[in-house]
Amino acid sequence: NAGVMQNPRHLVRRRGQEARLRCSPMKGHSHVYWYRQLPEEGLKFMVYLQKENIIDESGMPKERFSAEFPKEGPSILRIQQVVRGDSAAYFCASSFRRGITDTQYFGPGTRLTVL
Amino acid sequence: GENVEQHPSTLSVQEGDSAVIKCTYSDSASNYFPWYKQELGKRPQLIIDIRSNVGEKKDQRIAVTLNKTAKHFSLHITETQPEDSAVYFCAASFLTGGNEKLTFGTGTRLTIIP
Repeated sequence: NAGVMQNPRHLVRRRGQEARLRCSPMKGHSHVYWYRQLPEEGLKFMVYLQKENIIDESGMPKERFSAEFPKEGPSILRIQQVVRGDSAAYFCASSFRRGITDTQYFGPGTRLTVL
Repeated sequence: GENVEQHPSTLSVQEGDSAVIKCTYSDSASNYFPWYKQELGKRPQLIIDIRSNVGEKKDQRIAVTLNKTAKHFSLHITETQPEDSAVYFCAASFLTGGNEKLTFGTGTRLTIIP
């Protein structure tokens, strides 16, 4: 079992460009969560998805950010028109069953740098 | 809203001694409390978790205690080793809008002094 995979591991974008972050959950997991981590800070919940459904996006900014988890393929976190404040590490996690009370396993993260 | 406070933010411990990290949470309905260890530049890794139906759980040198009345839980690491040096995050589950979320503490940077 390869575990949760994320790519790219590092992403550099200029202000105004788009960033696409991909997350492949662990085999057999159908629940994906995205978190943002600023340097020296904790993990902030962004969005919780199940295959083809957004379950909870209350932690995601309403503008420029979107997420999807299609029937086939990885989950995508998309940031349009990036700004310097978007620079952070973005982690996804997956779980087997619905809900947070099931163990979440984290991917290695994507470190986004906006120039 | 949901809130998890974690203390201390930094902790230095002599190798072989014990380390204790404490967290408090705001929602009395929270029922799941995981602890994650994050080494520099790496992913958070679950090291132990506890559910609200028990007061203590142990796994070798690591233990977690939960006091639901006081709404706090603690991580205890005994016989610390240099490889225990990392940032540790606590988290608590919160039910909002029909869905549960994990809210994380701000982390404790643990340094083991050889």
